[in-house]
Amino acid sequence: AQSVTQPDIHITVSEGASLELRCNYSYGATPYLFWYVQSPGQGLQLLLKYFSGDTLVQGIKGFEAEFKRSQSSFNLRKPSVHWSDAAEYFCAVGTYNTDKLIFGTGTRLQVFP
Amino acid sequence: KAGVTQTPRYLIKTRGQQVTLSCSPISGHRSVSWYQQTPGQGLQFLFEYFSETQRNKGNFPGRFSGRQFSNSRSEMNVSTLELGDSALYLCASSLDRGGGASGELFFGEGSRLTVL
Repeated sequence: AQSVTQPDIHITVSEGASLELRCNYSYGATPYLFWYVQSPGQGLQLLLKYFSGDTLVQGIKGFEAEFKRSQSSFNLRKPSVHWSDAAEYFCAVGTYNTDKLIFGTGTRLQVFP
Repeated sequence: KAGVTQTPRYLIKTRGQQVTLSCSPISGHRSVSWYQQTPGQGLQFLFEYFSETQRNKGNFPGRFSGRQFSNSRSEMNVSTLELGDSALYLCASSLDRGGGASGELFFGEGSRLTVL
């Protein structure tokens, strides 16, 4: 069965510091991978997605993620965090022949000035 | 272009009651998915509708049901509410698939249900 693991429940960084949020997935075939962000009281917004091709994908708000098949990982990165990046981040996996996404449990990011 | 609209945003019910939540997808989107979000379980897939047909269903009891209308608007219903049904219910729309193939779900802000 498909699954997604986000090992970090809560991460705190200083504004301007670099960020890496971890995501590991379990799926037998090539997955479709996504990162979503949820601000308090809001729905989820897509940051970026990976379907195929270049394993380094660029997203909105300066985020990027790298697909590493050998490690079953899809980590999210940002070189310099802004206070407005404080939110909850969700990694998700989908496949072509299903109509649902499997989400990780999320990582809450706190940013200190 | 208007986003996904969910109503009501907040509601309080008591155990045993039933509730109906509504979702209006982005214009032109034909697929509507529902997810339940709780602190303990995270985001769990409920069901997905496309052209008024339920194409996929998550692992929830039969008390959870839904439907989609010809204009793509969707409703979900929870009958005989239990305390554990307290959650944020998120609706998401996509052009033609529920996320796996289309690649992007557009989420509403959710309906927060509290069961007392």
